[in-house]
Amino acid sequence: DTEVTQTPKHLVMGMTNKKSLKCEQHMGHRAMYWYKQKAKKPPELMFVYSYEKLSINESVPSRFSPECPNSSLLNLHLHALQPEDSALYLCATSRDSGMPLHFGNGTRLTVT
Amino acid sequence: GQNIDQPTEMTATEGAIVQINCTYQTSGFNGLFWYQQHAGEAPTFLSYNVLDGLEEKGRFSSFLSRSKGYSYLLLKELQMKDSASYLCAVPIGLTGGGNKLTFGTGTQLKVEL
Repeated sequence: DTEVTQTPKHLVMGMTNKKSLKCEQHMGHRAMYWYKQKAKKPPELMFVYSYEKLSINESVPSRFSPECPNSSLLNLHLHALQPEDSALYLCATSRDSGMPLHFGNGTRLTVT
Repeated sequence: GQNIDQPTEMTATEGAIVQINCTYQTSGFNGLFWYQQHAGEAPTFLSYNVLDGLEEKGRFSSFLSRSKGYSYLLLKELQMKDSASYLCAVPIGLTGGGNKLTFGTGTQLKVEL
């Protein structure tokens, strides 16, 4: 069982839809991350939250909007996505700098 | 900046030993991670090396040479379930905590009978 839970597991949305991806952890980790992974490619960092504050935005388009309501939750709000945004979206956490990342099982997103 | 290189694909036989190499160039070094990722699943942590030498964990071992910018993952007694992508990753520590993890392209390992 993963200690980082992502919902939904699968999501299909149209280009005009608004949806949100959710991530929850109860490990007391203070850093949380969103990664995007296309088929046969490594995960690419999108956002980093440290102590509930956004510390890194890897030049991600504004149609992706992250939110960290508290230390256990991380959301990714989606609006007006493009078909090329279809990918596996992975949430991860780490206790602190230099510590291993723990990944959730991901949300498989398809934009039609 | 960072540059991480791994072979794209490798094939090995069940029961054999395989070594997956990773070379990196990075400004600042905070250790090196290896992750395993099965198709359609999330990456799972295998090992972390911050000092030179070999770290052994059961069938898996990881080696680091900081002076050469080189690491390898050694898998012994290969099993079919070891067929997966193996990702080398280098973290950069962030001032506010956490790390920015950059992954290599991954090595797709196929274990055959």
